[in-house]
Amino acid sequence: DAKTTQPNSMESNEEEPVHLPCNHSTISGTDYIHWYRQLPSQGPEYVIHGLTSNVNNRMASLAIAEDRKSSTLILHRATLRDAAVYYCILRDVGTQGGSEKLVFGKGTKLTVNP
Amino acid sequence: DTEVTQTPKHLVMGMTNKKSLKCEQHMGHRAMYWYKQKAKKPPELMFVYSYEKLSINESVPSRFSPECPNSSLLNLHLHALQPEDSALYLCASSQGLLGNRARPQHFGDGTRLSIL
Repeated sequence: DAKTTQPNSMESNEEEPVHLPCNHSTISGTDYIHWYRQLPSQGPEYVIHGLTSNVNNRMASLAIAEDRKSSTLILHRATLRDAAVYYCILRDVGTQGGSEKLVFGKGTKLTVNP
Repeated sequence: DTEVTQTPKHLVMGMTNKKSLKCEQHMGHRAMYWYKQKAKKPPELMFVYSYEKLSINESVPSRFSPECPNSSLLNLHLHALQPEDSALYLCASSQGLLGNRARPQHFGDGTRLSIL
C-alpha cells in the first residue's frame, strides 16, 4: 500500500482556517486520496476524497498538488467539534480488491483552541 | 448518530468465554468490514465481506470468526481470546466494491472489548 506522511499534531484557534498537509510521494495513478477523521470515543468519519482535481463539500475542501505527491485538507472555519485525529489514506482503485482496504496511518491530531 | 449500529458498546469477557459482536446497517450497502483499534493507534483492517462473501482476511487468528448472515448484518464471534485482544472493534459498511471503487466507508462507534 502506498504510504502517507502527516504531522503528528497541529493546533488551531476556533473560527480560523486549518490546513492539514499530507505527503504521498509514491502515489500511483489509480490511487484516490481519502480523508477520514475520528472524534474522541467515535468511529472514523468520512470527510472527503479526490483523484486529481480540488474538491469541495459541506465539511471541507481538498487541495491536490499538480504532481499529486501531496494534498491538503482545508477546514475553512474550525470549531471545537472539529478536534479529532485526521487520517489521509490512499485507496487503490486500479486492482481487484485493492480499494476494499482502508490502510490508516498515524494521522494528525488536531487541537482547536477556544 | 451513526447509521452503522454496533452492539454491545462495551464487553468484558474472560479468556474462556464465547461471545459475539454484532453490526447492523440499513443503507443497502453490500460491503462490510471489521477493524481493530488499540488505544492511541489507528484502526487496522481485519475482514472484508463483499455481497455476503468473505473477500479479505488479514491473517486474523482463528479465535476471531466473522459471519455475514445477510446483507444488513455482520457478526464477529469471539472464542478463547487473549488479554492482548482488548481493543475497540469497529464495523464499517460501503455501497459495494463493483463499479466505483472509491466509495466511502461508514463506521459504527465500535465495541470496546476487555479481556480479563
